[in-house]
Amino acid sequence: GDSVTQMEGPVTLSEEAFLTINCTYTATGYPSLFWYVQYPGEGLQLLLKATKADDKGSNKGFEATYRKETTSFHLEKGSVQVSDSAVYFCALKGAGSYQLTFGKGTKLSVIP
Amino acid sequence: GAGVSQSPSNKVTEKGKDVELRCDPISGHTALYWYRQSLGQGLEFLIYFQGNSAPDKSGLPSDRFSAERTGGSVSTLTIQRTQQEDSAVYLCASSLVPGQNEKLFFGSGTQLSVL
Repeated sequence: GDSVTQMEGPVTLSEEAFLTINCTYTATGYPSLFWYVQYPGEGLQLLLKATKADDKGSNKGFEATYRKETTSFHLEKGSVQVSDSAVYFCALKGAGSYQLTFGKGTKLSVIP
Repeated sequence: GAGVSQSPSNKVTEKGKDVELRCDPISGHTALYWYRQSLGQGLEFLIYFQGNSAPDKSGLPSDRFSAERTGGSVSTLTIQRTQQEDSAVYLCASSLVPGQNEKLFFGSGTQLSVL
């Protein structure tokens, strides 16, 4: 079945540091890939998505590129802020599927 | 309301009691999902409703879990004879249509604690 493996946390960074959260997946066909973010006390919300190979999703300074050859969708940001502190979930929807399969989440803490 | 609403936000219950968790999806959204978020386990799919179609119950962990969706809108997740391992955050999400690329809108969840 479909699965998502993402970097275990927690991750602690200083403000303005570079962020990478690794995500790899297993799926048949061509899944759509997502990053969701959960800020403290809030529900999950979509951060970015990519629906086909080589697509780059971007939002709020975050980027992730759909790499089919490495089955990866790593999340990056060049300069993190304290307000980026949250739990980040990588997820996929398989071809023709309605259901999201999530990774276990990576907690990011950014310190001033 | 503007978003997915879940109630209660917190529920503490005793082992063996039944609980009901409620979800109000965004108006007009045809697809509704329940997920469970356990510490260190990520999000686990429970059940999916789409319009008037039969729900996909494949993620329900045991027959103590059931859910219904009345009138294509509000959904209730019921856990009978709760156990301590049921303690988790129960998340509801909805989407306008159930397509592969459609994003889900999540509620803030119900934190269930079984003592």
